[in-house]
Amino acid sequence: LAKTTQPISMDSYEGQEVNITCSHNNIATNDYITWYQQFPSQGPRFIIQGYKTKVTNEVASLFIPADRKSSTLSLPRVSLSDTAVYYCLALLYNQGGKLIFGQGTELSVKP
Amino acid sequence: SQTIHQWPATLVQPVGSPLSLECTVEGTSNPNLYWYRQAAGRGLQLLFYSVGIGQISSEVPQNLSASRPQDRQFILSSKKLLLSDSGFYLCAWSVDSNTGELFFGEGSRLTVL
Repeated sequence: LAKTTQPISMDSYEGQEVNITCSHNNIATNDYITWYQQFPSQGPRFIIQGYKTKVTNEVASLFIPADRKSSTLSLPRVSLSDTAVYYCLALLYNQGGKLIFGQGTELSVKP
Repeated sequence: SQTIHQWPATLVQPVGSPLSLECTVEGTSNPNLYWYRQAAGRGLQLLFYSVGIGQISSEVPQNLSASRPQDRQFILSSKKLLLSDSGFYLCAWSVDSNTGELFFGEGSRLTVL
């Protein structure tokens, strides 16, 4: 079962780029790396997903090196509203697409 | 467009009482459905997932159960609540289990006293 490890918390300031790294040493060949954002008392919201190399959308970028043992979520020019918990998780393709959430990284953006 | 609804939004129940949380999805058919629990201090724990009517997979041993009586309805139940059942319960759905994109409901906050 793929397990992900990420920092418990991070601090940043408005306008900075934030990179959150996640390690997943035993990720399986068919698993995808997926990131979610969660605000208090709300359900998580899908941000981005990737398999390898780089994926970019209107919200973030995801970098996955060739060995796929880690990944980095990059948030460009964060604002106060980006303060949230960010979860890195592996999509377990061979287990019906099961998603197992870890503890997440609590990002605090300060003015 | 697709929507997901959970109810009740908040619930305070005594220890030993029964529980029923409901979740319905609209605007799609044959979704994959999930129940997660989030205790205080983060971390979502997958409780149950279902790929079709009557098909339920349980992830952790517990005194909770789930049922899917209809294609777009997912119910979380307990016959006797424990203090440790308190938490934020989230229902989610996906149209394709291999995309990794789950859509979550508003959540149901359960307090067991």
